[in-house]
Amino acid sequence: DSGVTQTPKHLITATGQRVTLRCSPRSGDLSVYWYQQSLDQGLQFLIQYYNGEERAKGNILERFSAQQFPDLHSELNLSSLELGDSALYFCASSVSDLYNEQFFGPGTRLTVL
Amino acid sequence: DAKTTQPNSMESNEEEPVHLPCNHSTISGTDYIHWYRQLPSQGPEYVIHGLTSNVNNRMASLAIAEDRKSSTLILHRATLRDAAVYYCILDLFNNYGQNFVFGPGTRLSVLP
Repeated sequence: DSGVTQTPKHLITATGQRVTLRCSPRSGDLSVYWYQQSLDQGLQFLIQYYNGEERAKGNILERFSAQQFPDLHSELNLSSLELGDSALYFCASSVSDLYNEQFFGPGTRLTVL
Repeated sequence: DAKTTQPNSMESNEEEPVHLPCNHSTISGTDYIHWYRQLPSQGPEYVIHGLTSNVNNRMASLAIAEDRKSSTLILHRATLRDAAVYYCILDLFNNYGQNFVFGPGTRLSVLP
């Protein structure tokens, strides 16, 4: 158990819908990272927040957004969902913002029908 | 675009050393090299990271070529629990801050 929690574990929705994935980092960790894992694209970094502020951005689509709240939990919002958005979404956390060991949660499996 | 290449799969016998290679010929001077592994049905797990010098920790060693265009993750004595997909990752800086570029991963099988 990494100490990072993600909810829900599974999510099934329809194209065009909007969903919110939630992540609680390990106690004391200030950075939260979001990743997408799909069969065709592999693991891709989406975005990083550090202490409530966006710190880095990867291959995140404009339809996707994230935020980190004062209690340091984070949410990833996915809108106008397409079939190709079906994937495992991982959240990870680390103590600070650079060159740190990241601790990954168990993931949320999103299925778009 | 920076990227890494890794063999699709490798096999090892239990209690023997394993050398997992990664090529990253487009790496820049400030890009770190990270290795994570993913056990079945789990999120990735940190293994090791480095910049220029070889690195050792309780899990593994990381050997980085002098020109930094390749690196090798070394598991000194493979156990059955080490069967996983091993990802070589470049930790880059771009206009948006850091960017983690994952390789395709090497699936390691450990034979008893």
